[in-house]
Amino acid sequence: NAGVTQTPKFQVLKTGQSMTLQCAQDMNHEYMSWYRQDPGMGLRLIHYSVGAGITDQGEVPNGYNVSRSTTEDFPLRLLSAAPSQTSVYFCASSYSGETYNEQFFGPGTRLTVL
Amino acid sequence: GNSVTQMEGPVTLSEEAFLTINCTYTATGYPSLFWYVQYPGEGLQLLLKATKADDKGSNKGFEATYRKETTSFHLEKGSVQVSDSAVYFCALGAYNFNKFYFGSGTKLNVKP
Repeated sequence: NAGVTQTPKFQVLKTGQSMTLQCAQDMNHEYMSWYRQDPGMGLRLIHYSVGAGITDQGEVPNGYNVSRSTTEDFPLRLLSAAPSQTSVYFCASSYSGETYNEQFFGPGTRLTVL
Repeated sequence: GNSVTQMEGPVTLSEEAFLTINCTYTATGYPSLFWYVQYPGEGLQLLLKATKADDKGSNKGFEATYRKETTSFHLEKGSVQVSDSAVYFCALGAYNFNKFYFGSGTKLNVKP
């Protein structure tokens, strides 16, 4: 099993550009989520999904879109990048949204917006 | 609301010293509590968890007890090693809401 994979590992964007961060898991997990990690602030939940076709907002959803067409994939789209979106982004998955379940994290994408 | 507060770092210890990283939480309902560890350049990995009051989670010599009366989940290890150097995150799983809340992380440096 590859676990949770994320691409790209690094990305530099200019303000106003759009891009999609990819996330895939091969564990047949129902629950997937996106976090951003900023210094001194820990991880903050952006969006999450409890299954294919079902998504919902987390703490900091503004400026980001998600969709979940398959169980395996959960891409995160930045429609018009802003410097405030410079961060490290982590995708995670777990068997279900029941909060006693362990979340498995991908290696992260480091994004810089100029 | 739900939130997690953990002690600021960095924490610097000598090898074989005793470690405590404090974590307190506020929550509605009955949350689950977790400690995750992040090694340089990697994603987070689950270290231990506790799903109800008075549960003790343990793994790799680390322990934490879910204390409802003090709303705490402090991480302890009796004798740290250089290989324990990492960032440690306390986290809360909000009961029935599919959401997880993380503390700001505590960086641990262990010197030989």
